[in-house]
Amino acid sequence: GQNIDQPTEMTATEGAIVQINCTYQTSGFNGLFWYQQHAGEAPTFLSYNVLDGLEEKGRFSSFLSRSKGYSYLLLKELQMKDSASYLCAVMKAAGNKLTFGGGTRVLVKP
Amino acid sequence: GAVVSQHPSWVICKSGTSVKIECRSLDFQATTMFWYRQFPKQSLMLMATSNEGSKATYEQGVEKDKFLINHASLTLSTLTVTSAHPEDSSFYICSARPQGGQETQYFGPGTRLLVL
Repeated sequence: GQNIDQPTEMTATEGAIVQINCTYQTSGFNGLFWYQQHAGEAPTFLSYNVLDGLEEKGRFSSFLSRSKGYSYLLLKELQMKDSASYLCAVMKAAGNKLTFGGGTRVLVKP
Repeated sequence: GAVVSQHPSWVICKSGTSVKIECRSLDFQATTMFWYRQFPKQSLMLMATSNEGSKATYEQGVEKDKFLINHASLTLSTLTVTSAHPEDSSFYICSARPQGGQETQYFGPGTRLLVL
């Protein structure tokens, strides 16, 4: 099976930085995704890491360490609209199916 | 590009009736589509993998006779919740993987089902 753990909730101030950690255990790893999901809406793609290292995309960056089974999503210059759930998802090589973590609800305060 | 639609966006039905949800890839062909279910304040749980022209593959614990999946074309998959019960009330989300796109999945906007 796959165990994917991420914090349940985080609170941060507008303009600040927040780092959301995700740890996982899996066999046949084929990449890790981060999605953003606003309440009542479908997830939207943020990032995909399959090799170790940091991927930067504007205000969002994602890091992966395969040997440690660890990833983080870094949100910089937080805006109120960044208040959402952030989902870590691991893809298995067999069938390329995604397994999602429980999601981290981020609340950005003024 | 890479738009996935779902219809209906929300549905209310009586207990015991069947509900069909459509998932369409609008501007690409998808050999594989995935169906997820999400309960309030929980994450997405994969229900089944839908492959065009073949039977769907269901995850452990998902009843294939209750959740009927048909992937009749490269742009359409349907999920039918048969004999719906209140506990089936949930947010159902599909995703579609483009032909040749081994990792990428594009999500539909979801269908909210309420069974009375």
